[in-house]
Amino acid sequence: NAGVMQNPRHLVRRRGQEARLRCSPMKGHSHVYWYRQLPEEGLKFMVYLQKENIIDESGMPKERFSAEFPKEGPSILRIQQVVRGDSAAYFCASSTQPRQGGYEQYFGPGTRLTVT
Amino acid sequence: TQLLEQSPQFLSIQEGENLTVYCNSSSVFSSLQWYRQEPGEGPVLLVTVVTGGEVKKLKRLTFQFGDARKDSSLHITAAQTGDTGLYLCAGWNNNDMRFGAGTRLTVKP
Repeated sequence: NAGVMQNPRHLVRRRGQEARLRCSPMKGHSHVYWYRQLPEEGLKFMVYLQKENIIDESGMPKERFSAEFPKEGPSILRIQQVVRGDSAAYFCASSTQPRQGGYEQYFGPGTRLTVT
Repeated sequence: TQLLEQSPQFLSIQEGENLTVYCNSSSVFSSLQWYRQEPGEGPVLLVTVVTGGEVKKLKRLTFQFGDARKDSSLHITAAQTGDTGLYLCAGWNNNDMRFGAGTRLTVKP
């Protein structure tokens, strides 16, 4: 069974370019979560999506960041006009159940974004 | 401010020693999860605790959920170099899941 897959694993972008991060959830999972992790820090929630719906984007910056989870294909986190402060590891997680207490999330290996 | 406070932030011990790390909050959680993250990888789920006072064992790791469901501890017996990593706790509160900043454990041979 394939786990959560993310690509690319490493992404280098110049300031002002766009970054597109992809996440394929575990088979049978229809709920996807994106987190950002800065060096020496824990995970910061960004956005929670189900197929074709954004359920909670309270952790995502209002500008330049967007996320989608289409009916077909992977979930995509898109960062427009990247700045150096966007450099971080971005993790995707998936689960089987709606977002309620007690369910378990499974994480992908992350995409490390470096903005030069 | 962190909803979940983890302590210590850093811990360096010799192989064979025992250790305990803590996850504390002023909030009550419906469940709490512990993850371990190795450098360059995503977090891997270790355990979920749900009931106040619950104790779960995973080989040399013992997890405890506080009676009031506000705190948790992870105890490792006879640590091995393979236990090195970032240990994260994550709590569920009002349909919202939040992570602590983690305890970075280094086990030296």
